Amino acid sequence: GNSVTQMEGPVTLSEEAFLTINCTYTATGYPSLFWYVQYPGEGLQLLLKATKADDKGSNKGFEATYRKETTSFHLEKGSVQVSDSAVYFCALSDLDSGGSNYKLTFGKGTLLTVNP
Amino acid sequence: DSGVTQTPKHLITATGQRVTLRCSPRSGDLSVYWYQQSLDQGLQFLIQYYNGEERAKGNILERFSAQQFPDLHSELNLSSLELGDSALYFCASSAYTGTGMETQYFGPGTRLLVL
Repeated sequence: GNSVTQMEGPVTLSEEAFLTINCTYTATGYPSLFWYVQYPGEGLQLLLKATKADDKGSNKGFEATYRKETTSFHLEKGSVQVSDSAVYFCALSDLDSGGSNYKLTFGKGTLLTVNP
Repeated sequence: DSGVTQTPKHLITATGQRVTLRCSPRSGDLSVYWYQQSLDQGLQFLIQYYNGEERAKGNILERFSAQQFPDLHSELNLSSLELGDSALYFCASSAYTGTGMETQYFGPGTRLLVL
């Protein structure tokens, strides 16, 4: 079945540091890939997405490139801010085992804390 | 603000009880999804409805059921509650396209505590 593996947290960085959160996936088809972010006390919100190989998703200074050859979708940001402190979820959307419906599969989430 | 609303925000109840969680999707979205988030299991997909009909089932227990009403709001019913059902329950909605590329918009969640 489909699965998403992302690096275990927590990740603690100083403001303006470079961020990488690794994400790899296993899928039977050709999934779309997503990064969602969950700020404290809130629901998840889409950060960025990529729908085919070599696509780069970007938003708010975050980037991730869909790498089919390494089945990866690593999240990066060149200079993090305190306001980026949140839990980050990598997810894939692919057909379920019945082959008739798309389903989102999430990684376990990575807690990022950015200190001033 | 995602446009998805969930009530109540918090719910405290006892084992063996039954509760109902309510979700209103974003205006225009026909598809509603329910997820359970817990520390040990992470974020688990429970069930999806599309325009009033069940579309997909995930790891939903038999003690749990859901429905989507003609006005598109959805309810998740949890019965014979156990301590292990304590979790954050999220509703999400999307303009379902059948391509797997659409964004799901999440509500703020209902935190359930079973004592």
